[in-house]
Amino acid sequence: QKEVEQDPGPLSVPEGAIVSLNCTYSNSAFQYFMWYRQYSRKGPELLMYTYSSGNKEDGRFTAQVDKSSKYISLFIRDSQPSDSATYLCATYTRGGTASKLTFGTGTRLQVTL
Amino acid sequence: GAGVSQTPSNKVTEKGKYVELRCDPISGHTALYWYRQSLGQGPEFLIYFQGTGAADDSGLPNDRFFAVRPEGSVSTLKIQRTERGDSAVYLCASSDSYNSPLHFGNGTRLTVT
Repeated sequence: QKEVEQDPGPLSVPEGAIVSLNCTYSNSAFQYFMWYRQYSRKGPELLMYTYSSGNKEDGRFTAQVDKSSKYISLFIRDSQPSDSATYLCATYTRGGTASKLTFGTGTRLQVTL
Repeated sequence: GAGVSQTPSNKVTEKGKYVELRCDPISGHTALYWYRQSLGQGPEFLIYFQGTGAADDSGLPNDRFFAVRPEGSVSTLKIQRTERGDSAVYLCASSDSYNSPLHFGNGTRLTVT
């Protein structure tokens, strides 16, 4: 079992829809949670970064963390064709001299006109 | 530059050859990371530098892989006796401290024929 599980999709939604992307993780030592967006042939770009359980909002994006169920979500409101990309959840533990990220496999999202 | 720069963007090599991949991190970032991303997968950690030293190289798959960062800025990932299974996108990332979010470059797409 991978430490971070993510449905690879693809997920296709019409423009303007609310998108829900999810990951589960198994290691309760994970403390920091991130969502990255990756366009084709580009590097991952940080979207959201959160430490605690609860919600964090940034424009059309809301990240939600539930540490009790080891479940993290990203919601995209009023989705746009420019949101079409692969979304990667990532997490890591704090401590020592290492803070290597553990990524999910990524969910490919397509927003259609 | 404004972001993490990786060269070359694409590299095709024959099985058994030696390759070097270069990473220029964001100016002033002390932490530098190498990740490898295979098709349809999330990035996987290879090695982490804090300054000039490799703080964690536990992700390097075997002794054919080696990385250096001699002056604490530019890093080079070196792969000896390349194998077809080494084909992937090699991503470099940097951050301003070990528990700050990572900023990725666009990667080097390595193809071993």
